[in-house]
Amino acid sequence: IQLTQSPSSLSASVGDRVTITCRASQGISSYLAWYQQKSGKAPKLLIYTASTLQSGVPSRFSGSGSGTDFTLTISSLQPEDFATYYCQQLNSYPVTFGQGTKVEIK
Amino acid sequence: QVTLRESGPAVVKPTQTLTLTCSFSGFSLTTSGMCVSWIRQSPGEALEWLALIDWEDDKDYSPSLKTRLTISRDTSKNQVFLTMTNMGPEDTATYYCARTFYSESSGYQGFDYWGQGALVTVSS
Repeated sequence: IQLTQSPSSLSASVGDRVTITCRASQGISSYLAWYQQKSGKAPKLLIYTASTLQSGVPSRFSGSGSGTDFTLTISSLQPEDFATYYCQQLNSYPVTFGQGTKVEIK
Repeated sequence: QVTLRESGPAVVKPTQTLTLTCSFSGFSLTTSGMCVSWIRQSPGEALEWLALIDWEDDKDYSPSLKTRLTISRDTSKNQVFLTMTNMGPEDTATYYCARTFYSESSGYQGFDYWGQGALVTVSS
């Protein structure tokens, strides 16, 4: 199952609302996760089963969608949120990741 | 406290076999639903899932690498291993191990704990 994220990169300011989309090549129910990765670090799980916030993740992060179309939203971008974000499908093997969305400072 | 740590050679020569070890603590791989995966990331590239082993010792592999990969475990030592044969320059990457949990009601719940990664360079 191929995952296509858009955009590939974006520039935003602190306080902005940011939306990243992930489209699956076939239906994956709600078996989608989102990760944040900062340079040189391991990915960090933000959301699983499309909309469940991982423990300890700030509530400004939210996820939605099911089937083939999913969204990660950051309601008010903070300085520590500048990173690359990946979606991942866990509906069927092989597990696959999107190509990533880099969020940069405007 | 859950931790995972990858270890293995930093440099391997082309055609050699790579063996990586994931040493973990804070959970048991024999607990129902528990799984450990290997994932890699080439420099500047996206994440690529490689293999998974679960609480019943069932295994799954990336189809594109299946013939070269073997995942195994030593539950007494809390370790998971990955071997990759016939290494080439395209296999230069940071290799991560990560934990996930599977439930009948919710499926796989994402990779919630990751190791810090092990950079492997393939060079003669």
